[in-house]
Amino acid sequence: QVTLKESGPGILQPSQTLSLTCSFSGFSLSTYGMCVGWIRQSSGKGLEWLANIWWNDDKFYNPTLKNRLTISMDISNNRAFLKIINMDPADTATYHCVRGAGPARAYFDYWGQGVMVTVSS
Amino acid sequence: DVQMTQSPYNLAASPGESVSINCKASKSISKYLAWYQQKPGKANKLLIYDGSTLQSGIPSRFSGSRSGTDFTLTIRSLEPEDFGLYYCQQHNEFPFTFGSGTRLESK
Repeated sequence: QVTLKESGPGILQPSQTLSLTCSFSGFSLSTYGMCVGWIRQSSGKGLEWLANIWWNDDKFYNPTLKNRLTISMDISNNRAFLKIINMDPADTATYHCVRGAGPARAYFDYWGQGVMVTVSS
Repeated sequence: DVQMTQSPYNLAASPGESVSINCKASKSISKYLAWYQQKPGKANKLLIYDGSTLQSGIPSRFSGSRSGTDFTLTIRSLEPEDFGLYYCQQHNEFPFTFGSGTRLESK
């Protein structure tokens, strides 16, 4: 059974760095072709894909946010991470961890329920 | 980026009815469109990928079709558990982009 669960700080001040953790089970990022990503959902922008990381440490980022994002993984402990620097109130959203599916891992067959992140002074 | 225009924004229907939700891509994405269902307190569910391929475990009353850059999700004979939010996503090219969502409500 595949599960993903996000964790994060809940609330941040503007300009701070967001660190999110995705703890998953039912698959391994050491498996050839496997991929985990991050997607956020806000009332203002809807669903927005942020980044993917592959089993071989390849990474793809949304160009809109690329300079602010870092995705990484801890294969041994079945975790993936996302850091976003210089957080702004516009980054207030629910952040979802997802598993990539298909030959290109371009759609997402399992989602975490998400973690709400609020950016406010 | 590929813009996905989803319609309608809201849709009201009764159990047993059939409904259609549309998504139009701003340029060719071939067949590469996915549909998701979102319900409060639950993880998003993948319904269809590659425009018309039903994800394992999804009931056959859900179907997807394509005409050029226009895609349609059809739900036949609505069940009470089908009410919720629906989103499309193009999975043809980076960055992956989503439609703005359709809220399917019980009439």
